[in-house]
This record gives sequence, C-alpha cells and structure tokens, in this order.
Amino acid sequence: DTEVTQTPKHLVMGMTNKKSLKCEQHMGHRAMYWYKQKAKKPPELMFVYSYEKLSINESVPSRFSPECPNSSLLNLHLHALQPEDSALYLCASSQDRAQTALSYEQYFGPGTRLTVT
Amino acid sequence: AQKVTQAQTEISVVEKEDVTLDCVYETRDTTYYLFWYKQPPSGELVFLIRRNSFDEQNEISGRYSWNFQKSTSSFNFTITASQVVDSAVYFCGIIKAAGNKLTFGGGTRVLVKP
Repeated sequence: DTEVTQTPKHLVMGMTNKKSLKCEQHMGHRAMYWYKQKAKKPPELMFVYSYEKLSINESVPSRFSPECPNSSLLNLHLHALQPEDSALYLCASSQDRAQTALSYEQYFGPGTRLTVT
Repeated sequence: AQKVTQAQTEISVVEKEDVTLDCVYETRDTTYYLFWYKQPPSGELVFLIRRNSFDEQNEISGRYSWNFQKSTSSFNFTITASQVVDSAVYFCGIIKAAGNKLTFGGGTRVLVKP
C-alpha cells in the first residue's frame, strides 16, 4: 500500500481564518513532507519531518505552522494567509534517508487545493 | 545545490506516437538519485522510477523506458505508443545522498490526442 491521504481536498478560507490541512500515511514511513505547488510550476518543498522532528524549514513564513503528532500524521496549520498563498498543497512521505535507495522514494498524496479570499 | 532542467515545456502528439521527454541535471554530489513523476489533471504526483547515480543501466517498464547517461548528465524518458491516459505533466527530480530535498525540473506537459 503506497497511499498517502490528505484532507480536505478543497479549502476556501478568508485572510483572517485559521484552518488546518491534514495528511496521513500507513506505510511505516518516518519522513513526511509538505510541498506547495502554484499553477504551471513544480512543487516546492516547504517542510520536512524526520522521525517526528522538524528537520527542514525552507524559510516558510510563520503563517504556516507544521505539526507532526505521530509518525503517521502530519498537519499544516494556516493562519492569516494571503491571496498569494492560494495553491495546491501536497503531502509526501518516504522511509527516511540513508537507509537504502528505497528511502529516497517519496510518495505523494492527492493534495489540498487551497484558495485564500 | 542541484538543478534540473526540462527544456520542453509542452509536447503534443497523436495517440500511438512515441514521445521522449528530456531531463538534464546539475549536481556536485557523487552519489545522488534521479526520479520521474507523473502528475495527471487530478493533481496527485505519481512515482514512476528511481535511478541511482552509480547504476547507469537503462530500464524498460511496459511502454515506459528510461535512458540514464551520466556522461551528459541526462535522464530521458520515453513513452512508446502513447495513449490518451498518458496526458499529464511529467517532472524529473534529483535528491543527493543523505538528503531529503527533492529538487524538481519545471515539468513537461504531454498532451496525447486521440
């Protein structure tokens, strides 16, 4: 099973709202990722969690707050977003680095399409 | 830092034609991993293949084949006898050994017309 699930599929929020995106995997992976993808662009890495600890933050604004409650779950808390934050947010997971070559394969969820009004 | 270039932004073919997607990468690392992903209109990125830098064997999987040439830093992808379901954006990517950051190329949109 290589499934990563994300909820919700679509989200519309105002600039003063607080919302959360959720991601779940049951592949026993120990690394989880958030990517942001704007239209007609490649995904851009935002955060990486490795063994439930934040290992990479790609200088993401503080209005995005990640959380990894356990090895299967990854959340992205959103607060005071701007219209330019509208994008497809993708979650991914992998075994984790440096174990085997398989560790580097990232499996993606279907994404949450976020619109900020 | 690594960089991936996919020079073709869009390719349009008629069903059953072959289509080759180019990918050129730059890295100073001696060990790295190359990937291809497919992104259909639904949005999900689908993993297609991983190739290790120390393994230059080409690979064929059904109608898909990959040509890795370390000497030219290229990792090209061919779809043989294309089908409408192959219509998608295809991304090439690279990760260095002991790294987590997957760097993508700009993507190539493939449109297969019936």
